[in-house]
Amino acid sequence: NAGVTQTPKFQVLKTGQSMTLQCAQDMNHEYMSWYRQDPGMGLRLIHYSVGAGITDQGEVPNGYNVSRSTTEDFPLRLLSAAPSQTSVYFCASSRGPNSPLHFGNGTRLTVT
Amino acid sequence: SQQGEEDPQALSIQEGENATMNCSYKTSINNLQWYRQNSGRGLVHLILIRSNEREKHSGRLRVTLDTSKKSSSLLITASRAADTASYFCASYSGAGSYQLTFGKGTKLSVIP
Repeated sequence: NAGVTQTPKFQVLKTGQSMTLQCAQDMNHEYMSWYRQDPGMGLRLIHYSVGAGITDQGEVPNGYNVSRSTTEDFPLRLLSAAPSQTSVYFCASSRGPNSPLHFGNGTRLTVT
Repeated sequence: SQQGEEDPQALSIQEGENATMNCSYKTSINNLQWYRQNSGRGLVHLILIRSNEREKHSGRLRVTLDTSKKSSSLLITASRAADTASYFCASYSGAGSYQLTFGKGTKLSVIP
């Protein structure tokens, strides 16, 4: 099992560019989520999904879009990147409510 | 908003010593979890304690939970250099919750 796989590992964008952060899991987990990690802020939930076709907002959803067409994949889209979106992004999955999360190794994004 | 707050923010100890990290949270919880993050990597789940449990052990880890004080502690006994990492507490509030909220973490350095 690969677990949770995130691509790319690193990305540099210019302000206004768009991009998609990819996340895939092979554990057949229904729940997937995206967090961002900033120095001194811990991890903050961006969006999450409780199954294919179902998504919801977390604590900091502005500037990000998600969709969940399959159980395995949960991409995160930045439509118009801003310097405030410079961060490390983590995708995670779990079996269900109140369960431990399995994390990917993150995507380090810099927006200039 | 942050649910958990870890204390101390940073901790430096000698190899072989015990390390204690504390976590306080704000609202009632279903369970509380502890995660470890090595530099540049994703978070790894360590241990979960349910709201009706007071203490739990896993190898060299001991977690306590005091719901009356809304606090938890993580004890790592006989620390090793490989324990050097950041440690986060996280909690779900309410039954059937999918939103795991993290604290800001404790950075532990174990000096060989």
